[in-house]
Amino acid sequence: DAGVIQSPRHEVTEMGQEVTLRCKPISGHDYLFWYRQTMMRGLELLIYFNNNVPIDDSGMPEDRFSAKMPNASFSTLKIQPSEPRDSAVYFCASSWGSSNQPQHFGDGTRLSIL
Amino acid sequence: DQQVKQNSPSLSVQEGRISILNCDYTNSMFDYFLWYKKYPAEGPTFLISISSIKDKNEDGRFTVFLNKSAKHLSLHIVPSQPGDSAVYFCAASDKTTGGTSYGKLTFGQGTILTVHP
Repeated sequence: DAGVIQSPRHEVTEMGQEVTLRCKPISGHDYLFWYRQTMMRGLELLIYFNNNVPIDDSGMPEDRFSAKMPNASFSTLKIQPSEPRDSAVYFCASSWGSSNQPQHFGDGTRLSIL
Repeated sequence: DQQVKQNSPSLSVQEGRISILNCDYTNSMFDYFLWYKKYPAEGPTFLISISSIKDKNEDGRFTVFLNKSAKHLSLHIVPSQPGDSAVYFCAASDKTTGGTSYGKLTFGQGTILTVHP
């Protein structure tokens, strides 16, 4: 079975540019999560969806960040405009069910903003 | 405010010996705990979990112990193998978060485990 698929794996762009990260969850999973990993803050949850609906976006750092899930098999995390402090590894994860099911992670997108 | 703490940034163990990774938490509402393993350039991989109604869960070489009164959990790997060398993250979930039946995962900072041949 295919796992969580993220694209691109690496992104290098200049400050001020729009960045779009993509995620395809595992088929049948009804929860989708976006995380960011940095040296300073570790792995932190940005936002999560249930059945394509955003449930909690309290971890989204600021209005420059937005996330969508137009259907059950696709989600995007967008940063506009990007800043150097957004440089991090961004992970997408998905899970099934409403209680205590482990999340399955993609391999992440390493984002560098110059 | 770090609710899940892994106080040891790294651990070095000889092959065949026991590895013990520790994790402390502060939020008494956490009721489900997980360990993830992460290799470089890959996403975290689920390893083992434990519910707060238990104090021990085993899966092969991996055992997780939970001490609710001390708000402490540990992961034991016996015997340790070089392939176990990775970063290990402890995570905790609170089912009551936001009123939903699913809790958000709060991760510790991770412990780098190195198993020497």
